Amino acid sequence: EAQVTQNPRYLITVTGKKLTVTCSQNMNHEYMSWYRQDPGLGLRQIYYSMNVEVTDKGDVPEGYKVSRKEKRNFPLILESPSPNQTSLYFCASTEGTGGSGYTFGSGTRLTVV
Amino acid sequence: AQKVTQAQTEISVVEKEDVTLDCVYETRDTTYYLFWYKQPPSGELVFLIRRNSFDEQNEISGRYSWNFQKSTSSFNFTITASQVVDSAVYFCALSETNFGNEKLTFGTGTRLTIIP
Repeated sequence: EAQVTQNPRYLITVTGKKLTVTCSQNMNHEYMSWYRQDPGLGLRQIYYSMNVEVTDKGDVPEGYKVSRKEKRNFPLILESPSPNQTSLYFCASTEGTGGSGYTFGSGTRLTVV
Repeated sequence: AQKVTQAQTEISVVEKEDVTLDCVYETRDTTYYLFWYKQPPSGELVFLIRRNSFDEQNEISGRYSWNFQKSTSSFNFTITASQVVDSAVYFCALSETNFGNEKLTFGTGTRLTIIP
């Protein structure tokens, strides 16, 4: 089954403790992206990757890092999480161009206390 | 910059009523794609429809229908004979390709509550 797998689904952590949210896709998509969802703001793009070793900032990249060492994986790294990074996070992948559609992961609900 | 506006923050209707969710978009691109997603209480995003800018035909899928009007930059979503299972947050989104960034621009969502 074609899918994007995110882990963990839920995470509660403390301020400053480094964490990684994993994202893996099995569709051989070149393009992957991370979004965060906050009440009243919809989903906003954090980072994206057009291919292996090619990543760039989206609209809200502060406090986040990403890497793309393999085509299938695109982890989101929070080096020093803060409470304002409490959010619902989604990973997405696509073949490229909006016409092919996007596949989203199930989401990761992160709470930073 | 691209923008998607969902002016209705919350809507409540009684079961079996029809309801329309509004979506207005802004873009300078001539080729673009519009989407609707459903987010049930469990939190995942459920894909409902994708429409490209060259196809203005309305679409119907069961109780769901979509009205795309380029003249008014709108892509509205109607649920006919609503059911409790339709209760969710609905997002409209616009895709753009900007220097290789296949970005989705989302509206702020409409929370729909169907009252039994």
